[in-house]
Amino acid sequence: QKEVEQNSGPLSVPEGAIASLNCTYSDRVSQSFFWYRQYSGKSPELIMSIYSNGDKEDGRFTAQLNKASQYVSLLIRDSQPSDSATYLCAVNFGPSNTGKLIFGQGTTLQVKP
Amino acid sequence: GAVVSQHPSRVICKSGTSVKIECRSLDFQATTMFWYRQFPKQSLMLMATSNEGSKATYEQGVEKDKFLINHASLTLSTLTVTSAHPEDSSFYICSARRGGPRNIQYFGAGTRLSVL
Repeated sequence: QKEVEQNSGPLSVPEGAIASLNCTYSDRVSQSFFWYRQYSGKSPELIMSIYSNGDKEDGRFTAQLNKASQYVSLLIRDSQPSDSATYLCAVNFGPSNTGKLIFGQGTTLQVKP
Repeated sequence: GAVVSQHPSRVICKSGTSVKIECRSLDFQATTMFWYRQFPKQSLMLMATSNEGSKATYEQGVEKDKFLINHASLTLSTLTVTSAHPEDSSFYICSARRGGPRNIQYFGAGTRLSVL
């Protein structure tokens, strides 16, 4: 049973559009949620972290968390070709921040000029 | 700039040799570091949690005698792949957890291991 699920894609959007990436998780008591971006052949880099229900905005990125639905999403506004990458959803499982992250399989985003 | 340094970035070795990978946190002390493995077009799979001053905690199915982890200081963890075989070829990535309640992990650049 997968613990963090993402649609593998690819998700293709035109340049300037909004890209919406979704993630569901199985553990109701998880407290910490992260979105990482990974370019091909590179290691992941942190894009957003979110801990409370609602929206969190940082530049063109908005993370949304709904703990009741066990759902976290990432919106990328004004998508650019440089945003083309794999986006990994990561969840810290359990009621305390033990540090152990479980990653989803990643969604590949393609932004077409 | 990078807050976690991983070295080497690429290793090509013969089957049967051992390979050591280093992971350093550059501007913070990390009592906990993590080692992941990633096969092509797959997600990161946690191999083990490296704890400073104590034994590493391995995930189910990861051979502790094959993947030796040492976390001798608050800024350095090493992963040694012993007697490497072609099936060990993969992208190995470390991360370091910055202290505090936010539980943020920063990743090293990764090591691509190719075993011939």
